[in-house]
Amino acid sequence: QKEVEQNSGPLSVPEGAIASLNCTYSDRGSQSFFWYRQYSGKSPELIMFIYSNGDKEDGRFTAQLNKASQYVSLLIRDSQPSDSATYLCAVKIVDTGRRALTFGSGTRLQVQP
Amino acid sequence: SQTIHQWPATLVQPVGSPLSLECTVEGTSNPNLYWYRQAAGRGLQLLFYSVGIGQISSEVPQNLSASRPQDRQFILSSKKLLLSDSGFYLCACTPGGEGQYFGPGTRLTVT
Repeated sequence: QKEVEQNSGPLSVPEGAIASLNCTYSDRGSQSFFWYRQYSGKSPELIMFIYSNGDKEDGRFTAQLNKASQYVSLLIRDSQPSDSATYLCAVKIVDTGRRALTFGSGTRLQVQP
Repeated sequence: SQTIHQWPATLVQPVGSPLSLECTVEGTSNPNLYWYRQAAGRGLQLLFYSVGIGQISSEVPQNLSASRPQDRQFILSSKKLLLSDSGFYLCACTPGGEGQYFGPGTRLTVT
């Protein structure tokens, strides 16, 4: 079982809709959870992180965390064509200072105009 | 906030040739530094990480090596490239808080 799993997609949504991206993780020692956006040919860009169960909102983005279900999601409201990208979920697992993240393979989002 | 520089941006090298990719970080001190590789259409593979000058940990045994000669400089090297070394090489840092930040990357094609 992969440590961080994401549906590869593509997830296709119409412009203005809510895009829902999901991620599950296997290690219950996971502390922090991150969402990155990666445009084709570019490096990943950190867009949100969440530590505690519940929701965290930042503009059009909402991250949701459920540690009991080992599930983290990213909602994008009012999706725009410029949101079309691959979204990477990453998890920080308790360690001794390495502070490395474990990444999922990403979900490709397509927002149709 | 930190800024990560990587060069070169693109590189085409023949099989068996050496490699040197450089990463420098501005705006932070004593960061953790990382080298990742992303093959076409694939996820991020952690290659090396460093918690300080001269301290390198390897995640995947292969023909690559890394060095950290200065606090904010991280170098990825190879003596002889393989075709399988092609990919998008990303340097990242954790400046001290949460999150990992990536440089612009080097796209390497081994022919």
